Formats: sequence, structure tokens, C-alpha cells
Amino acid sequence: EVHLVESGGGLVQPGGSLRLSCAASGFTFSSYSMNWVRQAPGKGLEWVAYIYTSGSTIYYADSVKGRFTISRDNAKSSLYLQMNSLRDEDTAVYYCARHDYGDYGGFWGQGTLVTVSS
Amino acid sequence: EIVLTQSPGTLSLSPGERGTLSCRASQSVSSNYLAWYQQKPGQAPRFLIYGASRRAAGIPDRFSGSGSGTDFTLTISRLEPEDFAVYYCQQYGSSPFAFGQGTKLEIK
Repeated sequence: EVHLVESGGGLVQPGGSLRLSCAASGFTFSSYSMNWVRQAPGKGLEWVAYIYTSGSTIYYADSVKGRFTISRDNAKSSLYLQMNSLRDEDTAVYYCARHDYGDYGGFWGQGTLVTVSS
Repeated sequence: EIVLTQSPGTLSLSPGERGTLSCRASQSVSSNYLAWYQQKPGQAPRFLIYGASRRAAGIPDRFSGSGSGTDFTLTISRLEPEDFAVYYCQQYGSSPFAFGQGTKLEIK
């Protein structure tokens, strides 16, 4: 069974940093591209970042470009999001999601809450 | 960059009625790579439709997707109580993989 479990969220001051992790199990992690998606309280879904299977191709939303870094460790079946220079508007639940739009696709974790506040 | 606009913002219907949700793209979606999700409070989104019209595994056949190019529709043929939720479309044909702002389907 596919599982994605995010961790690393918490309270951080504006300008601070945080590193999110997503532990994958139940599938061959190295075969799938991955995404980070976030959702601010009471708001809609916002795509944040994408990474190809090997890490050779990476995309970011304009809102996080230059501040966030997506990475992966296929040996550990893990996805990461390094978040620097955090702002109030980065407050959200952060989800990792498998980039898989097929019949048995669409797997998301349950999310981890990041709160940026002084 | 493709911008997705969903309408209406809120749709008020009764169980048993038909629900029609719209998603319009600012430019053509590559290969009709358009997905639909359902989200309930406190839960991660649930994957419903991919490729504009293909139901994901385990999704009831009362959910159907249609459209191509820039205009897409999610139809729920006969609303069940558990269908009242927020629905999002997403294009995955080209980065950035944007979502629409969502349509809230509420009980009338």
C-alpha cells in the first residue's frame, strides 16, 4: 500500500528556515516524479515545486523561487523541501504528492502544518 | 503560464440533483492533461479524474469529466450526501502545474 508521510512542520519566525521531509513507502520511489503542494488556512491548493525521478529537472512556483529548494534521496525513499526566508504568507499545510496522473495515481500525504509568525 | 478559473465559486444543490462544475484555462492545456480533485475539511485531496475524462480507480461512475483545450467540466450525475465538498481542477501538462481556485459544492 502506498504511503506518503510528511514531517518537519512547526512554528517558525519570519525570515527563518525549516526543512520538510516526506517518507515514501509501498512503491518504487525512484520511479516517480514528486511534488510539494500547499494550502493556506481556509484557502485553495497551491502547487509549490516538482522534481523528476533523478532530480535532474526541477520546477518551482514563482512565489517560492529562490527561497525554497526541493530535493530527494532515492536510496532513502524520501523527498525534501528546504524553506528559507520564510514569510507570513508561507503559512500553510504542506503536502507531498506523487506526480502520477493515471488510473491508480493521485497519492498524497496527509500534510504537515507550517506556521510563520512572530 | 496557464491560469485556471473555476465557476461557480459556490454551487448549492440538493441530494439527487445533477452538479456541473466548470474549469476554464487561459490557454490550451497540453494533451488535455487536466485533473479533478475532491477535498473535504481536514483531509488531503482525493484524485477523481485525469486526462480530462478518465476516472481514477475506485471513483463512482456518477463522476464524469469532459472537455478539451481550454474548457473542462466535472459532472456529478446524482448527488450523494458524501459528494458535498470542495472541488479543484489542476493542469499537469506544463509547469507551473496550477490549480483552479476551487468550487464549493454545498447542500441546498
